[in-house]
Amino acid sequence: GAGVSQSPSNKVTEKGKDVELRCDPISGHTALYWYRQSLGQGLEFLIYFQGNSAPDKSGLPSDRFSAERTGGSVSTLTIQRTQQEDSAVYLCASSPRTSGFTGELFFGEGSRLTVL
Amino acid sequence: GENVEQHPSTLSVQEGDSAVIKCTYSDSASNYFPWYKQELGKRPQLIIDIRSNVGEKKDQRIAVTLNKTAKHFSLHITETQPEDSAVYFCAASTAGANNLFFGTGTRLTVIP
Repeated sequence: GAGVSQSPSNKVTEKGKDVELRCDPISGHTALYWYRQSLGQGLEFLIYFQGNSAPDKSGLPSDRFSAERTGGSVSTLTIQRTQQEDSAVYLCASSPRTSGFTGELFFGEGSRLTVL
Repeated sequence: GENVEQHPSTLSVQEGDSAVIKCTYSDSASNYFPWYKQELGKRPQLIIDIRSNVGEKKDQRIAVTLNKTAKHFSLHITETQPEDSAVYFCAASTAGANNLFFGTGTRLTVIP
């Protein structure tokens, strides 16, 4: 596909369950970001991957959150033991930039997570 | 780290009027300031950006101004149209940084 693809688009889960959210970036984009968008809030940075470098995890809110990127392409964001405050839209974005932050981010349409 | 504040949170204008959204940032080392538009249920998309070596940039009905001394930047939309209705996010980043710090968004409604 031409754009960033995310799945599932909607996920409803029970408190305490684990969830996995998937992101397929634009082919050839080396940089991949995860953001969280809560109701009425901005886009909260979670994690950044750049090629084969160690990811920048500085935005992950707790150790229940983790992410990996296999083969420099697809990324999975995992939330363990979900809490109601984890309910949000999780946005993935990719960029062709190899370093720094000097260009456009291409966002997916997001995964809406609802924790009951 | 960088802190970006955005005002107003909601804005309603009559079609044809202008709309202005303002943002401030805290890190004087920030040098890249994009604006993203997110239509209802859609993904955020870049509409315009400005770097710290210029004070103003225009693209048709959209313009962004930057005041580095005061650490604020603004989005100006002229001759607004109903399709301009969306949530607009400002953001700031420092050269070499991994992160783009976003404001909390402004919901713009253009009334036909």
